[in-house]
Amino acid sequence: GQNIDQPTEMTATEGAIVQINCTYQTSGFNGLFWYQQHAGEAPTFLSYNVLDGLEEKGRFSSFLSRSKGYSYLLLKELQMKDSASYLCAVPDSNYQLIWGAGTKLIIKP
Amino acid sequence: IAGITQAPTSQILAAGRRMTLRCTQDMRHNAMYWYRQDLGLGLRLIHYSNTAGTTGKGEVPDGYSVSRANTDDFPLTLASAVPSQTSVYFCASSDQSGGADTQYFGPGTRLTVL
Repeated sequence: GQNIDQPTEMTATEGAIVQINCTYQTSGFNGLFWYQQHAGEAPTFLSYNVLDGLEEKGRFSSFLSRSKGYSYLLLKELQMKDSASYLCAVPDSNYQLIWGAGTKLIIKP
Repeated sequence: IAGITQAPTSQILAAGRRMTLRCTQDMRHNAMYWYRQDLGLGLRLIHYSNTAGTTGKGEVPDGYSVSRANTDDFPLTLASAVPSQTSVYFCASSDQSGGADTQYFGPGTRLTVL
């Protein structure tokens, strides 16, 4: 079956770097998504990885290893506005997204 | 309007009542989705529609129904609400059906069933 694991909560300091991990188990693979969700708001798209390796997009980067069923989201030069939940999601065999429970990131000054 | 809108923003409902959550998108996206989000759990798919006129069941469809009469609208109906349906409900859309397309979310409806 499908399973996605993420840490429940992480704390980091403003200006620092943080890595949020996601491990998944799927039958077949059709890419992996990262979304950001601020408290009380809707999720918004951050990245999509379908090939192995690191994709950089400004302060945010996403890494994928298909052989290990592993991805991480790397946030650099953390800002207070980065305090949010980060959601990992993968398509299932019917191409509908299965979502992790999300990682709540707390940024401290 | 631009993007996806949902109504109402929040609602308190007595158990046993019927309720329809509205969702409208103006991006001409083919696919639309309804999720519920509960504390400690990931988003869970209730129903989806790959194109106007078709619908499908997601992970947690019981107690909910949907219709897709046109491209823009995808209402979610609770025929007889129960307290376990207390949740935040998100509507989303994507240009193409299939899990590889980015989904865009509405602002959500916070529903409390007493």
